[in-house]
Amino acid sequence: EDQVTQSPEALRLQEGESSSLNCSYTVSGLRGLFWYRQDPGKGPEFLFTLYSAGEEKEKERLKATLTKKESFLHITAPKPEDSATYLCAVQAEGSARQLTFGSGTQLTVLP
Amino acid sequence: DVKVTQSSRYLVKRTGEKVFLECVQDMDHENMFWYRQDPGLGLRLIYFSYDVKMKEKGDIPEGYSVSREKKERFSLILESASTNQTSMYLCASRLDGDLPNTEAFFGQGTRLTVV
Repeated sequence: EDQVTQSPEALRLQEGESSSLNCSYTVSGLRGLFWYRQDPGKGPEFLFTLYSAGEEKEKERLKATLTKKESFLHITAPKPEDSATYLCAVQAEGSARQLTFGSGTQLTVLP
Repeated sequence: DVKVTQSSRYLVKRTGEKVFLECVQDMDHENMFWYRQDPGLGLRLIYFSYDVKMKEKGDIPEGYSVSREKKERFSLILESASTNQTSMYLCASRLDGDLPNTEAFFGQGTRLTVV
């Protein structure tokens, strides 16, 4: 069974304090790994897709990386507006239509 | 930009009522999904559809049904609402297959309260 585990569950940072969120996955074969941002009371918003180990994607203060067992979302010099829940999801071989989601990391950036 | 629109942001219904949640997408995506999201439990898949009139059960289909009469519209039906169905409901759509650009796009969510 495909599994996605995100850590930590919650993270509090001071503005400007860089850190990383982790997404560990167990799948029979990875087709794609997706990162989303979710603000309170809203639907998840797509951030990145990663397809193969070694791949990296960047967007403003966020950089996502991928290995064969996990992905990291690095946040450089975060601002309060980066506060949100960050979700990770995987698409596995044999599950071409479905995504398996982790339970998310709730990030709070304090001014 | 892909747009996924859910018919209501907030909904309050009484126990035993039949409830319809509607979702429309404008990008001709084959696949559509209904999830519920609860604190500590993450997103759980209720049902998904990969074509008109086609549906498959997800992880928690009990107490729900779905309808997909047109490609752009996917409805979630609570046959007889119960208080344990109080939740945030999220609709999503995505292209079929595993090529690039197959990320899922979500609606804004419907916060359903059953009293």
